[in-house]
Amino acid sequence: EAQVTQNPRYLITVTGKKLTVTCSQNMNHEYMSWYRQDPGLGLRQIYYSMNVEVTDKGDVPEGYKVSRKEKRNFPLILESPSPNQTSLYFCASSLYRDGGEKLFFGSGTQLSVL
Amino acid sequence: AQTVTQSQPEMSVQEAETVTLSCTYDTSESNYYLFWYKQPPSRQMILVIRQEAYKQQNATENRFSVNFQKAAKSFSLKISDSQLGDTAMYFCAFMMAGANSKLTFGKGITLSVRP
Repeated sequence: EAQVTQNPRYLITVTGKKLTVTCSQNMNHEYMSWYRQDPGLGLRQIYYSMNVEVTDKGDVPEGYKVSRKEKRNFPLILESPSPNQTSLYFCASSLYRDGGEKLFFGSGTQLSVL
Repeated sequence: AQTVTQSQPEMSVQEAETVTLSCTYDTSESNYYLFWYKQPPSRQMILVIRQEAYKQQNATENRFSVNFQKAAKSFSLKISDSQLGDTAMYFCAFMMAGANSKLTFGKGITLSVRP
């Protein structure tokens, strides 16, 4: 089954404790991206990757890091989480052509930073 | 920068009736795509419908259809024969062609379908 898998689905942590949210897709997609969802703000892009070893900032990259060492994986790293990073996070992937392609979303990771 | 506005935070509709969700957007681009996504309580993001800006014909998917007014920069979603399973948050989203595949989302609208 074609899917984007995020782990964990729920995570509670404390300020300053490094964490990684994993994302993996089995569709051989070149394009992957991370979004965060906050009430009243919709979803906003954090980082994206057009292919292996190619990453770039989205609209809200502060406090986050990503890496794309393999085509299928795109982990989101919070080196020193803070309470304002409490949010619902989504990973997404697609085949990239000229835009407009359907984005496949993971099931989301609800992160709480105390 | 592109913006997407969903001005109604909540709506309610009786089962089997029709409801229209509003969305406006702002862009100086001529080639772009518009989407409606559904987010049920499971939190999964589900693509409902997609519209290409260069196509004048409004997209339809079963009970879901859009009214795309390019000059007015309006993209409303009509849900016919509403079902209880349509209860969800709905997001309108914009994607510029040829750049990043980034979706710019509206704030979302919570739709409740009453039995």
